[in-house]
Amino acid sequence: GQQVMQIPQYQHVQEGEDFTTYCNSSTTLSNIQWYKQRPGGHPVFLIQLVKSGEVKKQKRLTFQFGEAKKNSSLHITATQTTDVGTYFCAGRLNQFYFGTGTSLTVIP
Amino acid sequence: EAGVTQSPTHLIKTRGQQATLRCSPISGHTSVYWYQQALGLGLQFLLWYDEGEERNRGNFPPRFSGRQFPNYSSELNVNALELEDSALYLCASSRKGSSGETQYFGPGTRLLVL
Repeated sequence: GQQVMQIPQYQHVQEGEDFTTYCNSSTTLSNIQWYKQRPGGHPVFLIQLVKSGEVKKQKRLTFQFGEAKKNSSLHITATQTTDVGTYFCAGRLNQFYFGTGTSLTVIP
Repeated sequence: EAGVTQSPTHLIKTRGQQATLRCSPISGHTSVYWYQQALGLGLQFLLWYDEGEERNRGNFPPRFSGRQFPNYSSELNVNALELEDSALYLCASSRKGSSGETQYFGPGTRLLVL
């Protein structure tokens, strides 16, 4: 069954609003990676989190890894139309398990 | 530096036929991963090759197989194609065998089974 769950599946926001996607695993992960896939494109690596409770920032993007290393989140502040795409988390167990992704639509 | 390349970009087959998809990793990368992305779905892990060996396999039937060549390029074979095999097949490569490394994805092969 699905090892890594991701919610929500879809999110529509007005440009300038914030956006958050959540990733949850039933088991402790070694690390977690986040990818972005633009419409018609392929996944592109954003970041990797390894340590319990780790928080990393990339401009308007904030990534968190839970204390128990079972969940993670990606938060985008003040979305822009360039943020459109599907965001995937990938949790490392014995292999990488990708979440189902959150498709973000930004309405200008 | 050239990225991951995949061929063909599109492939149309009929049920029961066999499909072969190819992937060339980034120079210096020894690991190759194969994923299936069905329309509107996430990435399902198929296979992981490193240094010519199969390291791990996803929950797919045996008619999905592959190999990695000495130059680290890889081939994915799908036998006895079924309609539900229609999907985007993505290949990714990484620098080491450790799956903690960043995966760089190719543009994918879009397979359509009629």
